[in-house]
Amino acid sequence: GAGVSQSPSNKVTEKGKDVELRCDPISGHTALYWYRQSLGQGLEFLIYFQGNSAPDKSGLPSDRFSAERTGGSVSTLTIQRTQQEDSAVYLCASSLGQGGNEKLFFGSGTQLSVL
Amino acid sequence: SQKIEQNSEALNIQEGKTATLTCNYTNYSPAYLQWYRQDPGRGPVFLLLIRENEKEKRKERLKVTFDTTLKQSLFHITASQPADSATYLCALNKDSSYKLIFGSGTRLLVRP
Repeated sequence: GAGVSQSPSNKVTEKGKDVELRCDPISGHTALYWYRQSLGQGLEFLIYFQGNSAPDKSGLPSDRFSAERTGGSVSTLTIQRTQQEDSAVYLCASSLGQGGNEKLFFGSGTQLSVL
Repeated sequence: SQKIEQNSEALNIQEGKTATLTCNYTNYSPAYLQWYRQDPGRGPVFLLLIRENEKEKRKERLKVTFDTTLKQSLFHITASQPADSATYLCALNKDSSYKLIFGSGTRLLVRP
């Protein structure tokens, strides 16, 4: 596709359930980021993938959060035993390369609601 | 502590006027600073990037300044239009790394 694709666009789950969020980056983009945005807040960095390098997981808020990127393309963010405070919009972004001078292309996000 | 601060109050201006949004940061030494636009229900969209050795960058009706002494970037939209109404986010790379850190954004409302 032409842009970053995320699915589902909305996810409602019960507290304690596991959820998987998917991101399909722009073809050829080697860098992939996950951010979280709570209502009225800025973007909180979660995790970064670059090529075949080990991911930077420094932003993951707890060990209930994990992410993988298969084949250098599609990425899945998994949240285990969801809590109400996990409710937020989860945004995925990709960029052509790494470095602070690379612009990020974002998907429309997954709105996660934990009841 | 490290902070990126954008005015949390919405900026409300009349169509045709110049909108000026501020991004202040502390305890960062970014090599680059970026500005993004975010519409409700959508992801941010890249607008402009400015390097630490650039004082000013322009693109059509947009202008960004970057003052590394004041640790501040200003984002201007001239001849503003109602279609410019959105939230504008600044972002900088942390310590010359790839990791982009975002401010919380300022909402701009342009009245017709």
